[in-house]
Amino acid sequence: EDQVTQSPEALRLQEGESSSLNCSYTVSGLRGLFWYRQDPGKGPEFLFTLYSAGEEKEKERLKATLTKKESFLHITAPKPEDSATYLCAVRPLRSYIPTFGRGTSLIVHP
Amino acid sequence: DAGVTQSPTHLIKTRGQQVTLRCSPKSGHDTVSWYQQALGQGPQFIFQYYEEEERQRGNFPDRFSGHQFPNYSSELNVNALLLGDSALYLCASSLGGPNPETQYFGPGTRLLVL
Repeated sequence: EDQVTQSPEALRLQEGESSSLNCSYTVSGLRGLFWYRQDPGKGPEFLFTLYSAGEEKEKERLKATLTKKESFLHITAPKPEDSATYLCAVRPLRSYIPTFGRGTSLIVHP
Repeated sequence: DAGVTQSPTHLIKTRGQQVTLRCSPKSGHDTVSWYQQALGQGPQFIFQYYEEEERQRGNFPDRFSGHQFPNYSSELNVNALLLGDSALYLCASSLGGPNPETQYFGPGTRLLVL
């Protein structure tokens, strides 16, 4: 069974204080790993897709990396507007069904 | 470029009733997936539609059914509503074929069952 565990569950940062969110996964053959940002009461907003170990992608203050067992979402010099829940999901090769983690709730204080 | 749209935004129903939720995919996308998201949880896959047929289904009872129209829009129907069906229902679209890639989500429909 595919599993995704995200840590920490919640993270409070001061503006400008860089940190990383972790997504540990087990899947029998990875088709893709996805990162989303979700604001309260809204649908997830797509951030990145990673396909193979060693791959990295960046967007503004965010950088996602992938190994064979986990992915990290690095946030550099965060701003209050980066406050949201960050979701990680994996899709296996053999299925169309992605498995989502429960997310990391990030709050950035000014 | 129109993103994924869903209607209605909010809905209140009573136990035993039936509900229909609607989704229009992002322009150029032909695959629609539906998810249920309970508070504090990640989205749970309900089913995916491609070429007007259900391609794969998650672990949800037959009370949950769907449809995809020729213009790729989709409906999610839930019969005999239970209190536990209260959740945010999300639609996501992607470009289909044998290997549908990244999914883009709509704003969701918040369903409350009383």
